Amino acid sequence: GAVVSQHPSWVICKSGTSVKIECRSLDFQATTMFWYRQFPKQSLMLMATSNEGSKATYEQGVEKDKFLINHASLTLSTLTVTSAHPEDSSFYICSAPDSVTGYTFGSGTRLTVV
Amino acid sequence: GEDVEQSLFLSVREGDSSVINCTYTDSSSTYLYWYKQEPGAGLQLLTYIFSNMDMKQDQRLTVLLNKKDKHLSLRIADTQTGDSAIYFCAGAQYGNKLVFGAGTILRVKS
Repeated sequence: GAVVSQHPSWVICKSGTSVKIECRSLDFQATTMFWYRQFPKQSLMLMATSNEGSKATYEQGVEKDKFLINHASLTLSTLTVTSAHPEDSSFYICSAPDSVTGYTFGSGTRLTVV
Repeated sequence: GEDVEQSLFLSVREGDSSVINCTYTDSSSTYLYWYKQEPGAGLQLLTYIFSNMDMKQDQRLTVLLNKKDKHLSLRIADTQTGDSAIYFCAGAQYGNKLVFGAGTILRVKS
């Protein structure tokens, strides 16, 4: 079945540094990738939608200069959290539409900013 | 846009059936999902149902869809302690963003 590989699984970084999260579709082409964020004990909220070869679409309230999304190929989408602060600590998860189940999720990245 | 609501907490005894309910607003949603999330882990797809179906059964899981009332339910038969987790329902038109409910915490008492 369709698999989305997400790395890293967890990362701890210092305030002010940047962190890149990668999502790769392993056996299918992901022309679209959805990026979600989940705060502790809350639901998943969509941050942005990336489409291969074009600019990402951000949800209201999400800073595009802070959360840089790149979808340079049909198998790779990246989210870079720039100048991270403790309030950016969260669980980030990507998802791509697939023809089998409708959507395939990565395993998520737990970001802790200290 | 789509709005998905679900009850926040459910407590059952081991061996009983659990029923988690969800309502959605967008009648054009073609995919409806149930995900399980254990503490500190990612999402696990439990089951899904297409909008042209009324019911889907997969081992201990039964999904019922009432399109008229825009109501989705997940029944877990013979609930086990390992079923304790947060359960999310989500809906979307294919290719569009998935909208998640707030999640239902299922606690199974032994």
